[in-house]
Amino acid sequence: DAKTTQPPSMDCAEGRAANLPCNHSTISGNEYVYWYRQIHSQGPQYIIHGLKNNETNEMASLIITEDRKSSTLILPHATLRDTAVYYCIVRVVRDDKIIFGKGTRLHILP
Amino acid sequence: KAGVTQTPRYLIKTRGQQVTLSCSPISGHRSVSWYQQTPGQGLQFLFEYFSETQRNKGNFPGRFSGRQFSNSRSEMNVSTLELGDSALYLCASKQDQETQYFGPGTRLLVL
Repeated sequence: DAKTTQPPSMDCAEGRAANLPCNHSTISGNEYVYWYRQIHSQGPQYIIHGLKNNETNEMASLIITEDRKSSTLILPHATLRDTAVYYCIVRVVRDDKIIFGKGTRLHILP
Repeated sequence: KAGVTQTPRYLIKTRGQQVTLSCSPISGHRSVSWYQQTPGQGLQFLFEYFSETQRNKGNFPGRFSGRQFSNSRSEMNVSTLELGDSALYLCASKQDQETQYFGPGTRLLVL
């Protein structure tokens, strides 16, 4: 799996959009970008994934640059419950294992 | 549809004992993967089972083993427990070639 780089921590004011960046400059053409988050001591929660087009679901939006070397996860209206570690992962869909990095610890400030 | 369930949620064992953890995947999912999470090493892949066969394995000693049953439920076993085995053990399931969904985990403390 390609290596990803994320900032170790970020702050965001409650009610504002949280924009979490991820660099994956060595991504291959058949690798997807996945985002998971982990709230303290719980199992990772799937958020969203995409290949090259921007994606949106009820939780978040995923913006992937045209060269696919970086992406941004957007939580449109952050709440205190969004406080978590966010993991950006690139993987081939058929891969059985996920290689997690250290992720970004997002603090939502009241 | 019910999510991935893991039992027990918490467990305390002593060094040298063995432990068995259980995972029930989402209905219809045939792939089950196991991960270990510790503060020092983060989330690490243990192994993956599909249709009762181990399909992929991480870099863990032989004390860590698993199996999958015909109903896709899976168990993992750790023998001769060491203090360093204290961790959150996570199970994830998926339909083949789809997104993995994680359970709540089993927190194991080895004294």
